[in-house]
Amino acid sequence: DVKVTQSSRYLVKRTGEKVFLECVQDMDHENMFWYRQDPGLGLRLIYFSYDVKMKEKGDIPEGYSVSREKKERFSLILESASTNQTSMYLCASTYSGTGELFFGEGSRLTVL
Amino acid sequence: DAKTTQPTSMDCAEGRAANLPCNHSTISGNEYVYWYRQIHSQGPQYIIHGLKNNETNEMASLIITEDRKSSTLILPHATLRDTAVYYCIVRPATNFGNEKLTFGTGTRLTIIP
Repeated sequence: DVKVTQSSRYLVKRTGEKVFLECVQDMDHENMFWYRQDPGLGLRLIYFSYDVKMKEKGDIPEGYSVSREKKERFSLILESASTNQTSMYLCASTYSGTGELFFGEGSRLTVL
Repeated sequence: DAKTTQPTSMDCAEGRAANLPCNHSTISGNEYVYWYRQIHSQGPQYIIHGLKNNETNEMASLIITEDRKSSTLILPHATLRDTAVYYCIVRPATNFGNEKLTFGTGTRLTIIP
């Protein structure tokens, strides 16, 4: 089975801290994604990557950056966390040419 | 991107067929319809997808109208474990670097015992 693993299920950080959310997939997928999910707003795409060192902005990239140095790993970075970035963050991956995304279990971030 | 419209919530009795509608009236000829669901506290899970023909797999059936402006996801014998938020998504045909999916707010399906 495809496995997408997010490094932390729950994090609590303080305003202004730098936050790293890590995601690893074990199926050699080319494409990886970061979404955030908030009540009433559904899932919103932050960034995605279709190859190592490649990245594309999604719908809400402001305040975030990403890194993809290895094919299996896609990191989401909050340079200076703010309270409005309190959210559930979901990582996903897929092969090119398919819309079948595999999601991790999510990382719930609270910024105080 | 084509947009989709789904009811906010639905109930279905356990053991009955759950029929979840989706409107995608602006869909283009090369765009697929995808369905995902999200059970509480988990990431979304792929269910099924189709272009213009009806599709069936072990989880569900997808019925797409002839004009492709709407579709229905059918869970033939709903169980309590089918309680989830169901997302209908329209996705462009494959283009390198264009694999992203836009999720809306979906339909919250509650299976009633």
